[in-house]
Amino acid sequence: DGGITQSPKYLFRKEGQNVTLSCEQNLNHDAMYWYRQDPGQGLRLIYYSQIVNDFQKGDIAEGYSVSREKKESFPLTVTSAQKNPTAFYLCASSKRQRGRSYGYTFGSGTRLTVV
Amino acid sequence: KNEVEQSPQNLTAQEGEFITINCSYSVGISALHWLQQHPGGGIVSLFMLSSGKKKHGRLIATINIQEKHSSLHITASHPRDSAVYICAVNTGNQFYFGTGTSLTVIP
Repeated sequence: DGGITQSPKYLFRKEGQNVTLSCEQNLNHDAMYWYRQDPGQGLRLIYYSQIVNDFQKGDIAEGYSVSREKKESFPLTVTSAQKNPTAFYLCASSKRQRGRSYGYTFGSGTRLTVV
Repeated sequence: KNEVEQSPQNLTAQEGEFITINCSYSVGISALHWLQQHPGGGIVSLFMLSSGKKKHGRLIATINIQEKHSSLHITASHPRDSAVYICAVNTGNQFYFGTGTSLTVIP
């Protein structure tokens, strides 16, 4: 079955360390997205990529970096510059056609705790 | 101001009750989504609407484009419906998400 795989489900890191969250999709979707969820807040966009080797900053990109070397993969690195990295991170993907997104699909998320 | 507002924030119901969750938005949209997030965190898309009404099992979603409002109804609620329900709107370029409605259905 097609879908999005995020790994790991839970991740613990020491303060000051960079950490990379994995997101893989086998849906042949063009676009991929990373969102952050904090208690009491809606999902906020960190980065998105509409095609391979191209990505754009979202609303809260500071302290994060991404790459899109393959259509299937969109890893997110939480750097030591991110002031409050402890959060739930969701990856999503969608088809893009004529400038519109559809077939939006979410991963199961990674809960990152920085101690 | 949030582009998407949901109400209520929290909802507790007895098993069998009819439940309504509301969503209002302030931007032009190409589609509205209702999402379900279970305690483990994974999100499932329940509905995508651009007009009218959709039904899937005990779940019904409606949208009024003129009033920029959508509702999610659950008939004959069951404890397994307990989850966070999130309204999200797609402007064609990006998504805006509501903060979610936490539903608890008590047996």
